Amino acid sequence: AQSVTQPDIHITVSEGASLELRCNYSYGATPYLFWYVQSPGQGLQLLLKYFSGDTLVQGIKGFEAEFKRSQSSFNLRKPSVHWSDAAEYFCAVGAFGNEKLTFGTGTRLTIIP
Amino acid sequence: GAVVSQHPSWVICKSGTSVKIECRSLDFQATTMFWYRQFPKQSLMLMATSNEGSKATYEQGVEKDKFLINHASLTLSTLTVTSAHPEDSSFYICSATGGLGNTIYFGEGSWLTVV
Repeated sequence: AQSVTQPDIHITVSEGASLELRCNYSYGATPYLFWYVQSPGQGLQLLLKYFSGDTLVQGIKGFEAEFKRSQSSFNLRKPSVHWSDAAEYFCAVGAFGNEKLTFGTGTRLTIIP
Repeated sequence: GAVVSQHPSWVICKSGTSVKIECRSLDFQATTMFWYRQFPKQSLMLMATSNEGSKATYEQGVEKDKFLINHASLTLSTLTVTSAHPEDSSFYICSATGGLGNTIYFGEGSWLTVV
């Protein structure tokens, strides 16, 4: 069975500082990996996704993620966070061609001035 | 771009009544949609797969008689919470695949409060 682990429940970062959110997955085949962001009371917005090709994926809002098969990781990074980045971030895994996703428990990001 | 819309965004209902939530794909056809449930400050849990023209496929532990799913057209899936109880209060969100690159799109979600 596939699973996703987001080890950090809550992260606090100063505005302008760099950010890395961790995601580890367990999946028997080649995974289809996603990062979504959710603002309070809102739906999910796709930040980026990976299936194949270049292991460094660029997304929206200045985010990027790197797929490391040897570590079963897909960490999300941003070089300089903005106050508007404060939200809940979810990593998810699925199979290509199957849109059923398994989500991690999420990481809540707080930005301080 | 492709958009998935849910209605209503917020709904309050009395215990014992039923409430219907709609999920529409606005500019693409979706033969499959998915319904997730999210409790406050928790992750999304898949409830069921909604298949156009056929019965939904429910995840283990989800009561199919309580959470009725109908996917009557290629652009609309509905989730009906029957005989609602306060413990059914949650955020329900749907997803569908479409548009460029077969992207998975999520609806805005629907908050259900049962009083």
